[in-house]
Amino acid sequence: RKEVEQDPGPFNVPEGATVAFNCTYSNSASQSFFWYRQDCRKEPKLLMSVYSSGNEDGRFTAQLNRASQYISLLIRDSKLSDSATYLCVVPQDTGRRALTFGSGTRLQVQP
Amino acid sequence: DTEVTQTPKHLVMGMTNKKSLKCEQHMGHRAMYWYKQKAKKPPELMFVYSYEKLSINESVPSRFSPECPNSSLLNLHLHALQPEDSALYLCASSQPGRSYEQYFGPGTRLTVT
Repeated sequence: RKEVEQDPGPFNVPEGATVAFNCTYSNSASQSFFWYRQDCRKEPKLLMSVYSSGNEDGRFTAQLNRASQYISLLIRDSKLSDSATYLCVVPQDTGRRALTFGSGTRLQVQP
Repeated sequence: DTEVTQTPKHLVMGMTNKKSLKCEQHMGHRAMYWYKQKAKKPPELMFVYSYEKLSINESVPSRFSPECPNSSLLNLHLHALQPEDSALYLCASSQPGRSYEQYFGPGTRLTVT
């Protein structure tokens, strides 16, 4: 099993739709999780950090399911500007202080 | 100031050239990172510096040589690269104790001819 797995998409959704991505991870000891967003030909930017069961920030909600070892990102009321690749990030072994990026899920919000 | 800057934005070099990529941050971060990203792939970690000391080298070929002259600067020296080394090279930094919340620079798009 890969350390971090994501559905590559693309997810094509209309404006205003609700969309959810899942990310599964293999390291059951992982304590924190992150979602980064990367626009085409730009750098990744931190979107959300998840340290407990979940986190919510406006239209974005991240939820953690430790039993099934996945985290999800829910985007409500999608905007055209949400079109990007969403990278799930799970820290590697404790002490290494290095990130393992998922392959990313591409979202295209259409007018 | 929450910005990581990288120069140059674009670089074209021949396989016999020597060049350097530069990264700078003024956020007081004490960990800095180099990543390589190929098209349609996620960033791949190359090096990690923690308090100006190299802490992780992800088995990167010696034709890539990192340097951290001080807590704000990170360089990546390039020599005798191969065409397959063409990629976007991203620098990132993070606060002590928050290593997984990284701030990325815009990257240097490198083409090796």
